[in-house]
Amino acid sequence: RKEVEQDPGPFNVPEGATVAFNCTYSNSASQSFFWYRQDCRKEPKLLMSVYSSGNEDGRFTAQLNRASQYISLLIRDSKLSDSATYLCVVRVSGSARQLTFGSGTQLTVLP
Amino acid sequence: DGGITQSPKYLFRKEGQNVTLSCEQNLNHDAMYWYRQDPGQGLRLIYYSQIVNDFQKGDIAEGYSVSREKKESFPLTVTSAQKNPTAFYLCASSPRTGGIGNEQFFGPGTRLTVL
Repeated sequence: RKEVEQDPGPFNVPEGATVAFNCTYSNSASQSFFWYRQDCRKEPKLLMSVYSSGNEDGRFTAQLNRASQYISLLIRDSKLSDSATYLCVVRVSGSARQLTFGSGTQLTVLP
Repeated sequence: DGGITQSPKYLFRKEGQNVTLSCEQNLNHDAMYWYRQDPGQGLRLIYYSQIVNDFQKGDIAEGYSVSREKKESFPLTVTSAQKNPTAFYLCASSPRTGGIGNEQFFGPGTRLTVL
């Protein structure tokens, strides 16, 4: 089983739609959680850090469920510019090697 | 401007040649990392360094080597022993190791193609 698993998609949604991605992690010692965004042929960029039960930043809401070991990302009112691959990232407590990356979920927002 | 730079952006190599990818950061970050990304796959850790003059192997270190002589610089050498080196190479840094958060920030990447 992969340490971090994501539905690869692709998710194709119309502009203005709400879309949600889920991510599951296998290590119960996971401590920190992040969502990164990666545009085609570019580097990943930090979208949100997820602490406690979750947090919100504008149109983006991240939620964490430690009991079920999953993280979700909700995007409301999708924009064309939201089209990208979204990477779920996990850090295990005490791990010097830091982060484990999921393979990503591809989103395309259609006009 | 503070940030992470990688060079070159594109690199072509003949089989049997060693090549060195540059990574420099002026963020005063202690930790630096090298990842490899293949199409449709997640990032895989090659090497990481928590402090100058120290580095550790990641999941796929075979065929690669690194050095960390300066805080700002963490070059990666792809040796001829790496059997399938064609990939997108990403360098990252973070302020420190351990603790809550400690997000990593990425350079623009080097796309290596072996001919």
